[in-house]
Amino acid sequence: AQSVTQLGSHVSVSEGALVLLRCNYSSSVPPYLFWYVQYPNQGLQLLLKYTTGATLVKGINGFEAEFKKSETSFHLTKPSAHMSDAAEYFCAVTQAGGTSYGKLTFGQGTILTVHP
Amino acid sequence: EADIYQTPRYLVIGTGKKITLECSQTMGHDKMYWYQQDPGMELHLIHYSYGVNSTEKGDLSSESTVSRIRTEHFPLTLESARPSHTSQYLCASRGTATSYEQYFGPGTRLTVT
Repeated sequence: AQSVTQLGSHVSVSEGALVLLRCNYSSSVPPYLFWYVQYPNQGLQLLLKYTTGATLVKGINGFEAEFKKSETSFHLTKPSAHMSDAAEYFCAVTQAGGTSYGKLTFGQGTILTVHP
Repeated sequence: EADIYQTPRYLVIGTGKKITLECSQTMGHDKMYWYQQDPGMELHLIHYSYGVNSTEKGDLSSESTVSRIRTEHFPLTLESARPSHTSQYLCASRGTATSYEQYFGPGTRLTVT
C-alpha cells in the first residue's frame, strides 16, 4: 500500500521568498517520488522525480526536492519565488513492485500563491 | 516534450447523453491511464491499460468504460451521463522505461446538467 500526505492545502509567499511545500509518503517498498505542477485548466507537468541514487534532485524552473528515507519525506523547495510559480502542486508516489506497481498515488495538492 | 492530446477540452452536456472523451498519444507508450479530478482535490485513478486489449479498473469506482484497440488511443465512454459525473478527466501515458513518470494531457472538463 502507498499513500501521500501534503501538509498545507494553501501556501502563500512573497515574491523572492523561499518556497517550501511539504510531502510525506507511506510505502511498503522503496518508493519512486514525483512532484507535478498544475496551472489552471491544464494538465499536470512533471517538475522533478526521485527514483534511485542522489537524494537531492533538481527539476525545472529552479525547484528541487530531497528524499529523506528516515523521515519518509520529499519536500519541494525553491530559493526565490516568482509570480509565475503560482499554481497547484501535487506530490505523488509509485512503487517498482507490489500491488501498486506503476500506479501513481497523489497527495491532496498544495495551492501556492505568490504575492508581489 | 510529451505529446498527449485530449478532446474535447470542455464539454457541457445534458443528463442521459452518451459521451466519449478522446485521448491520444504519439509517443508509442504502452501504458495509459485515466484520472478523475474534482476541483481542489487530488487525482484518483479510474482506469488503466498496459497495452492493446488490456484494460483494468482503477482505485476509484467509476461508471465509465474504456477501450484500447490501438496503442495510441484510449477513449473513455459514459453511456448515460449524470450530474455526479461532472468533473475533470485527465489522461496520462507512460513508456516502458523504468523511471515511472507519467505524462499528462491537458484534461477534459465535463459538466453534466
